[in-house]
Amino acid sequence: DTGVSQDPRHKITKRGQNVTFRCDPISEHNRLYWYRQTLGQGPEFLTYFQNEAQLEKSRLLSDRFSAERPKGSFSTLEIQRTEQGDSAMYLCASSLDEKLFFGSGTQLSVL
Amino acid sequence: QKEVEQNSGPLSVPEGAIASLNCTYSDRGSQSFFWYRQYSGKSPELIMFIYSNGDKEDGRFTAQLNKASQYVSLLIRDSQPSDSATYLCAVKPTYSSASKIIFGSGTRLSIRP
Repeated sequence: DTGVSQDPRHKITKRGQNVTFRCDPISEHNRLYWYRQTLGQGPEFLTYFQNEAQLEKSRLLSDRFSAERPKGSFSTLEIQRTEQGDSAMYLCASSLDEKLFFGSGTQLSVL
Repeated sequence: QKEVEQNSGPLSVPEGAIASLNCTYSDRGSQSFFWYRQYSGKSPELIMFIYSNGDKEDGRFTAQLNKASQYVSLLIRDSQPSDSATYLCAVKPTYSSASKIIFGSGTRLSIRP
């Protein structure tokens, strides 16, 4: 499979716990995006990498969220001290230009 | 004002008719515009992109862009039940130094047989 891969597909956690998600982009894509989507809403931009550099992060994003893309390959998104409001689908997308290819997402449920 | 606005629907269209989906955006300098389709429980999938004023056609889909009115639309001809999905409008704003893509909240389209 040469598409964008995300792991895990589902994550259930208790409030206050830390969680980490992984995204493996399409191999030749140098751009990587993280979005969050809740029911009935469009994807909300979280952050963007070009190669290993994090070029933009949403100003609305809490300091509890951090993302990395070491060596410009896979990326991780960590949420510390999760809250119930963090429950959402976390989508990763990669691209060579502005046309995004999305992974299947990680559904996070915070109890 | 939201950066990208869409009517949430649902928009119900009979099979075989033309479905018309609309989107407005706030950043007048935006240059890149996209339409994504999202089936229930699935991820968004790019179906059209347009950069210049006017129409762009691809099969049954036509994207229309009017930068003066800050308006983008998607027409689906000969609508099929398989077109039933949420359609997301997305824009690359000029205020972002990076390649940030902003999505609208989507329009739910239902094609009735």
